[in-house]
Amino acid sequence: DAKTTQPNSMESNEEEPVHLPCNHSTISGTDYIHWYRQLPSQGPEYVIHGLTSNVNNRMASLAIAEDRKSSTLILHRATLRDAAVYYCTGGGERNYGQNFVFGPGTRLSVLP
Amino acid sequence: GAVVSQHPSRVICKSGTSVKIECRSLDFQATTMFWYRQFPKKSLMLMATSNEGSKATYEQGVEKDKFLINHASLTLSTLTVTSAHPEDSSFYICSASAQGIYGYTFGSGTRLTVV
Repeated sequence: DAKTTQPNSMESNEEEPVHLPCNHSTISGTDYIHWYRQLPSQGPEYVIHGLTSNVNNRMASLAIAEDRKSSTLILHRATLRDAAVYYCTGGGERNYGQNFVFGPGTRLSVLP
Repeated sequence: GAVVSQHPSRVICKSGTSVKIECRSLDFQATTMFWYRQFPKKSLMLMATSNEGSKATYEQGVEKDKFLINHASLTLSTLTVTSAHPEDSSFYICSASAQGIYGYTFGSGTRLTVV
């Protein structure tokens, strides 16, 4: 499993962009980078995943460094509902039958 | 999309009693389910992996006789905390995966308080 490093916490103002970094220098060449987030008192939910190219979906964008040793999750306009712990991890594309290893994650606070 | 229902969301029990937590995949067949434990302000810790029809695989340090896992069908896995103690109080989360379904779908978690 790829070991990941993320800042413990970050703060953002509402409606401003947020860039959440993740270092995954030991990720294997075939592992995807996955991002999940966990709202208070809830189970984690999928945010986005990618391999090499940058990815966009309705929730966020994922920018992956060319050497794949780091990535950045981008929330284009933070809302109060985006306050959560964000986890990045590595694994197969579908991770069927495989376990994700969750690091401590980044606790994002969004200020009104 | 894939939905996992976890029940109950919150339970309080007395020391020495047992508590059962259910995890159901509502619209897909989950061949593999995972059980996690999470302490306040901490990350998720994997407790065990269960595959339908076979015995669960427990992580090191997790007592299999204390945390009984049953995955008798493709849509239901249960975690029973036996002879609960206050130190078992925690947030328990299940997740499920299946072929053809991306990544993991997590349940909403169960907050167990042992008094």
